[in-house]
Amino acid sequence: EPEVTQTPSHQVTQMGQEVILRCVPISNHLYFYWYRQILGQKVEFLVSFYNNEISEKSEIFDDQFSVERPDGSNFTLKIRSTKLEDSAMYFCASAGPGGGAGELFFGEGSRLTVL
Amino acid sequence: AQKITQTQPGMFVQEKEAVTLDCTYDTSDQSYGLFWYKQPSSGEMIFLIYQGSYDEQNATEGRYSLNFQKARKSANLVISASQLGDSAMYFCAMREATDSWGKLQFGAGTQVVVTP
Repeated sequence: EPEVTQTPSHQVTQMGQEVILRCVPISNHLYFYWYRQILGQKVEFLVSFYNNEISEKSEIFDDQFSVERPDGSNFTLKIRSTKLEDSAMYFCASAGPGGGAGELFFGEGSRLTVL
Repeated sequence: AQKITQTQPGMFVQEKEAVTLDCTYDTSDQSYGLFWYKQPSSGEMIFLIYQGSYDEQNATEGRYSLNFQKARKSANLVISASQLGDSAMYFCAMREATDSWGKLQFGAGTQVVVTP
């Protein structure tokens, strides 16, 4: 069964360091998303990406965050200068050609710990 | 205001019994979608079931069914014949027509523990 894969599964970093989280969406999918979940809290939308540009972003997604699809398969989330409050589980998700009416496929998440 | 409200922070259910997880939503859009996801302790988000606002029939997927009451703005998840492997956090989510397709708004979740 096709799946969204994310690396790393867990990253520990020092405050102020840059972090890149990587995602490989399902191969024929065209819509890509990042979500985050701070420990014990709800899942929050960060950004949606389609046709090589951001289509929507939340207020959380400030100038410290960026996304790109550098090579047609990977989809990355970069945090330029991490803060303690960036510690969270980050989920990548993708959806098929029509968007469709149903399923949004999530990856298994990348846990980021900022010290 | 909360878009998705899950009033049950946690529930215990005995194996083989049915359980209903509550979800109410708030939107002024006529077109929207409602989702349920399962998050086991390992952390991944597993899609369970989807209901479109214009769907006349309640959605069902195996042991999962969605009790959609549009006038009450509720979308409760029913898990029949609970299994130990159903122990997880369950999230209700909504997509509004005015948002980009994959932008879901999640509730706070309900932790379900299935006991033997």
